[in-house]
Amino acid sequence: DAMVIQNPRYQVTQFGKPVTLSCSQTLNHNVMYWYQQKSSQAPKLLFHYYDKDFNNEADTPDNFQSRRPNTSFCFLDIRSPGLGDAAMYLCATSREPQGISNQPQHFGDGTRLSIL
Amino acid sequence: AQTVTQSQPEMSVQEAETVTLSCTYDTSESDYYLFWYKQPPSRQMILVIRQEAYKQQNATENRFSVNFQKAAKSFSLKISDSQLGDAAMYFCALNDMRFGAGTRLTVKP
Repeated sequence: DAMVIQNPRYQVTQFGKPVTLSCSQTLNHNVMYWYQQKSSQAPKLLFHYYDKDFNNEADTPDNFQSRRPNTSFCFLDIRSPGLGDAAMYLCATSREPQGISNQPQHFGDGTRLSIL
Repeated sequence: AQTVTQSQPEMSVQEAETVTLSCTYDTSESDYYLFWYKQPPSRQMILVIRQEAYKQQNATENRFSVNFQKAAKSFSLKISDSQLGDAAMYFCALNDMRFGAGTRLTVKP
């Protein structure tokens, strides 16, 4: 089945130690998104790629970076994780960007990041 | 700025009964799309139902339907004949990238 896969499901890192979360998709969608979701809160969009075009949300900290080497893969890099970065990180894809069509996003299972 | 507000942090419904989850939003755009997503505990978020703003007819998907009031910027979700498997967090989303805070739905047997 076509899907969005996030690895790992659980990630533990040390305060200040860089960490990379990965996302892959078999849907061949143009858009890939990264969200941060803290407990009992709404997913907060960090950034998204439309093909190779990177779109950063204005309030996304510089500590968060992303790479999309090809259509299938997208990475979230946290350069110096702080305790406040502990959260669930959701990857999603869609065929077209927001506001253009009614095509929904397809989400991965998420990676739960813990900071020691 | 686009905002989405879900004013009910938690809702409860008896199995087989009907429940309505509220959502209001704000946008300056005339064309947009609204979505309801379901996020079961420890499972991935999935689409429940969607509505195009230019359509006056309310969307329906089996037991799920919406009451879309464009002038009032309201987009509520009605779940009929509630089932135990409907228990989850429900998120309202505008243009698929702005999410409300969510409503946790509990279904009582």
